[in-house]
Amino acid sequence: GAGVSQTPSNKVTEKGKYVELRCDPISGHTALYWYRQSLGQGPEFLIYFQGTGAADDSGLPNDRFFAVRPEGSVSTLKIQRTERGDSAVYLCASSLTIGGGADTQYFGPGTRLTVL
Amino acid sequence: ELKVEQNPLFLSMQEGKNYTIYCNYSTTSDRLYWYRQDPGKSLESLFVLLSNGAVKQEGRLMASLDTKARLSTLHITAAVHDLSATYFCAVDNYGGSQGNLIFGKGTKLSVKP
Repeated sequence: GAGVSQTPSNKVTEKGKYVELRCDPISGHTALYWYRQSLGQGPEFLIYFQGTGAADDSGLPNDRFFAVRPEGSVSTLKIQRTERGDSAVYLCASSLTIGGGADTQYFGPGTRLTVL
Repeated sequence: ELKVEQNPLFLSMQEGKNYTIYCNYSTTSDRLYWYRQDPGKSLESLFVLLSNGAVKQEGRLMASLDTKARLSTLHITAAVHDLSATYFCAVDNYGGSQGNLIFGKGTKLSVKP
Protein backbone atom coordinates (compact mmCIF):
# COMPACT_ATOMS: atom_id res chain seq x y z
CA GLY A 1 0.00 0.00 0.00
CA ALA A 2 0.94 3.66 -0.08
CA GLY A 3 3.54 4.90 2.32
CA VAL A 4 3.77 8.15 4.21
CA SER A 5 3.56 11.12 1.87
CA GLN A 6 4.66 14.68 2.49
CA THR A 7 4.04 17.89 0.60
CA PRO A 8 5.68 19.94 -0.64
CA SER A 9 8.92 18.07 -1.26
CA ASN A 10 10.81 21.36 -1.30
CA LYS A 11 9.91 24.72 0.15
CA VAL A 12 11.95 27.89 -0.19
CA THR A 13 10.79 30.87 1.80
CA GLU A 14 12.08 34.17 3.07
CA LYS A 15 12.97 34.93 6.64
CA GLY A 16 9.92 36.01 8.60
CA LYS A 17 7.38 34.20 6.44
CA TYR A 18 4.86 31.56 7.53
CA VAL A 19 5.00 28.00 6.16
CA GLU A 20 2.85 24.90 6.40
CA LEU A 21 4.13 21.39 5.82
CA ARG A 22 1.70 18.55 5.26
CA CYS A 23 1.91 14.86 6.12
CA ASP A 24 -0.37 12.03 5.02
CA PRO A 25 0.28 8.94 7.16
CA ILE A 26 -0.17 5.34 6.15
CA SER A 27 -3.86 4.49 6.17
CA GLY A 28 -4.94 3.06 9.52
CA HIS A 29 -1.94 4.32 11.45
CA THR A 30 -3.05 6.03 14.62
CA ALA A 31 0.29 7.52 15.63
CA LEU A 32 2.01 10.29 13.68
CA TYR A 33 5.40 11.87 14.35
CA TRP A 34 7.34 14.90 13.19
CA TYR A 35 11.12 15.11 13.18
CA ARG A 36 13.60 17.44 11.59
CA GLN A 37 16.98 16.51 10.25
CA SER A 38 19.86 18.85 9.69
CA LEU A 39 22.70 17.99 7.35
CA GLY A 40 24.93 15.27 8.74
CA GLN A 41 22.77 14.69 11.80
CA GLY A 42 20.21 12.17 12.93
CA PRO A 43 16.53 13.10 13.02
CA GLU A 44 15.50 15.26 15.97
CA PHE A 45 12.08 14.63 17.53
CA LEU A 46 9.56 17.46 17.42
CA ILE A 47 6.08 16.16 18.28
CA TYR A 48 3.88 13.13 18.04
CA PHE A 49 0.15 12.53 17.91
CA GLN A 50 -1.91 9.62 19.04
CA GLY A 51 -5.17 10.13 17.22
CA THR A 52 -6.05 13.81 17.17
CA GLY A 53 -4.20 14.84 20.29
CA ALA A 54 -0.57 15.78 20.68
CA ALA A 55 0.75 13.14 23.07
CA ASP A 56 4.21 14.66 23.34
CA ASP A 57 5.24 18.06 22.00
CA SER A 58 8.40 18.35 24.07
CA GLY A 59 10.62 18.58 20.98
CA LEU A 60 9.08 21.72 19.50
CA PRO A 61 11.91 24.26 19.76
CA ASN A 62 9.77 27.31 20.54
CA ASP A 63 6.29 28.75 20.17
CA ARG A 64 6.82 29.55 16.49
CA PHE A 65 6.27 25.85 15.80
CA PHE A 66 2.83 24.31 15.97
CA ALA A 67 1.27 21.13 14.62
CA VAL A 68 -2.28 19.89 14.24
CA ARG A 69 -4.02 16.68 13.30
CA PRO A 70 -7.69 17.63 13.47
CA GLU A 71 -9.26 14.44 12.14
CA GLY A 72 -6.67 11.94 13.29
CA SER A 73 -5.18 11.41 9.86
CA VAL A 74 -3.45 14.22 7.95
CA SER A 75 -1.18 16.48 9.99
CA THR A 76 0.16 19.96 9.30
CA LEU A 77 3.30 21.40 10.83
CA LYS A 78 3.13 25.17 10.96
CA ILE A 79 6.11 27.47 11.39
CA GLN A 80 5.61 31.17 12.00
CA ARG A 81 8.16 33.93 11.44
CA THR A 82 10.65 31.53 9.91
CA GLU A 83 14.33 31.96 10.67
CA ARG A 84 17.37 30.80 8.72
CA GLY A 85 18.07 28.27 11.48
CA ASP A 86 14.78 26.54 10.67
CA SER A 87 16.27 25.29 7.39
CA ALA A 88 16.30 21.49 7.53
CA VAL A 89 14.51 18.44 6.18
CA TYR A 90 11.27 17.92 8.05
CA LEU A 91 10.37 14.26 8.28
CA CYS A 92 7.01 12.78 9.11
CA ALA A 93 6.52 9.21 10.27
CA SER A 94 3.56 7.07 11.25
CA SER A 95 3.07 3.85 13.15
CA LEU A 96 0.17 1.49 13.58
CA THR A 97 -0.02 2.30 17.24
CA ILE A 98 2.15 3.09 20.25
CA GLY A 99 3.72 0.17 22.06
CA GLY A 100 2.93 -3.53 21.89
CA GLY A 101 5.52 -4.24 19.23
CA ALA A 102 3.52 -2.51 16.50
CA ASP A 103 5.19 0.83 16.88
CA THR A 104 7.79 0.77 14.14
CA GLN A 105 7.86 4.25 12.68
CA TYR A 106 7.66 4.44 8.88
CA PHE A 107 9.09 7.62 7.48
CA GLY A 108 7.99 9.78 4.61
CA PRO A 109 10.33 11.32 2.02
CA GLY A 110 10.56 14.61 3.90
CA THR A 111 10.11 18.28 3.06
CA ARG A 112 13.31 20.23 2.51
CA LEU A 113 12.75 23.70 3.95
CA THR A 114 15.14 26.48 3.01
CA VAL A 115 14.79 29.85 4.67
CA LEU A 116 16.63 32.60 2.83
CA GLU B 1 18.80 13.31 29.27
CA LEU B 2 19.11 10.29 27.01
CA LYS B 3 22.16 10.23 24.79
CA VAL B 4 22.67 7.85 21.89
CA GLU B 5 26.17 7.46 20.55
CA GLN B 6 27.25 5.57 17.49
CA ASN B 7 30.70 4.62 16.42
CA PRO B 8 32.31 4.83 14.12
CA LEU B 9 30.69 7.84 12.44
CA PHE B 10 32.43 7.06 9.16
CA LEU B 11 33.36 3.64 7.89
CA SER B 12 35.06 2.79 4.64
CA MET B 13 35.13 -0.92 3.89
CA GLN B 14 36.21 -3.14 1.09
CA GLU B 15 33.75 -5.53 -0.43
CA GLY B 16 33.81 -8.94 1.19
CA LYS B 17 34.98 -7.69 4.59
CA ASN B 18 33.15 -7.87 7.92
CA TYR B 19 32.62 -5.02 10.35
CA THR B 20 30.52 -3.97 13.34
CA ILE B 21 28.80 -0.68 14.10
CA TYR B 22 28.20 0.10 17.77
CA CYS B 23 25.33 1.97 19.38
CA ASN B 24 25.53 2.95 23.04
CA TYR B 25 22.77 4.68 24.94
CA SER B 26 22.79 6.30 28.34
CA THR B 27 19.52 5.32 30.08
CA THR B 28 17.48 2.17 30.46
CA SER B 29 15.47 1.08 27.45
CA ASP B 30 14.04 -2.25 26.44
CA ARG B 31 13.89 -1.61 22.73
CA LEU B 32 16.08 -0.22 20.02
CA TYR B 33 15.60 0.56 16.34
CA TRP B 34 17.96 0.50 13.39
CA TYR B 35 17.30 2.53 10.24
CA ARG B 36 19.05 2.94 6.93
CA GLN B 37 19.17 6.19 4.95
CA ASP B 38 20.42 6.50 1.38
CA PRO B 39 21.67 9.92 0.22
CA GLY B 40 18.78 12.31 -0.35
CA LYS B 41 16.26 9.70 0.74
CA SER B 42 14.19 9.07 3.84
CA LEU B 43 14.74 6.49 6.54
CA GLU B 44 14.01 2.81 6.00
CA SER B 45 13.33 0.59 9.00
CA LEU B 46 15.79 -2.28 9.27
CA PHE B 47 15.32 -3.86 12.69
CA VAL B 48 13.30 -3.47 15.86
CA LEU B 49 14.94 -5.12 18.86
CA LEU B 50 12.38 -5.62 21.62
CA SER B 51 14.19 -7.31 24.47
CA ASN B 52 17.52 -8.08 26.06
CA GLY B 53 19.42 -10.61 23.99
CA ALA B 54 17.32 -10.02 20.89
CA VAL B 55 19.08 -10.86 17.65
CA LYS B 56 17.70 -10.22 14.19
CA GLN B 57 19.23 -10.93 10.79
CA GLU B 58 18.37 -9.80 7.32
CA GLY B 59 20.72 -10.72 4.52
CA ARG B 60 24.23 -9.53 5.36
CA LEU B 61 23.10 -7.48 8.37
CA MET B 62 22.64 -8.77 11.88
CA ALA B 63 21.58 -6.64 14.85
CA SER B 64 21.71 -7.50 18.53
CA LEU B 65 20.71 -5.82 21.79
CA ASP B 66 22.23 -6.03 25.26
CA THR B 67 20.03 -3.91 27.52
CA LYS B 68 22.25 -4.45 30.55
CA ALA B 69 25.24 -3.01 28.74
CA ARG B 70 22.99 -0.46 26.97
CA LEU B 71 24.60 -1.54 23.72
CA SER B 72 23.40 -2.62 20.33
CA THR B 73 25.55 -3.81 17.48
CA LEU B 74 24.94 -3.95 13.74
CA HIS B 75 27.22 -6.52 12.16
CA ILE B 76 27.95 -6.49 8.46
CA THR B 77 29.05 -9.74 6.86
CA ALA B 78 30.86 -9.85 3.52
CA ALA B 79 29.97 -6.29 2.63
CA VAL B 80 28.74 -5.40 -0.84
CA HIS B 81 28.52 -2.00 -2.51
CA ASP B 82 24.72 -1.94 -2.15
CA LEU B 83 25.12 -1.63 1.61
CA SER B 84 26.64 1.82 1.24
CA ALA B 85 24.34 4.16 3.19
CA THR B 86 24.05 5.90 6.55
CA TYR B 87 22.85 3.71 9.40
CA PHE B 88 21.09 5.15 12.43
CA CYS B 89 20.17 3.59 15.72
CA ALA B 90 17.38 5.08 17.81
CA VAL B 91 16.09 4.60 21.34
CA ASP B 92 12.83 5.68 22.89
CA ASN B 93 13.44 8.72 25.09
CA TYR B 94 11.31 7.33 27.89
CA GLY B 95 12.80 3.87 27.91
CA GLY B 96 9.85 2.01 26.53
CA SER B 97 7.63 2.77 23.64
CA GLN B 98 6.35 6.29 24.00
CA GLY B 99 7.06 7.50 20.51
CA ASN B 100 9.78 10.03 21.19
CA LEU B 101 12.84 8.51 19.50
CA ILE B 102 16.33 9.79 20.08
CA PHE B 103 18.64 9.04 17.16
CA GLY B 104 22.38 8.67 17.04
CA LYS B 105 24.35 10.81 14.62
CA GLY B 106 24.55 7.95 12.16
CA THR B 107 27.33 5.85 10.71
CA LYS B 108 28.13 6.63 7.09
CA LEU B 109 29.20 3.39 5.47
CA SER B 110 31.03 3.32 2.17
CA VAL B 111 31.76 -0.07 0.62
CA LYS B 112 34.41 0.02 -2.06
CA PRO B 113 35.14 -2.66 -4.65
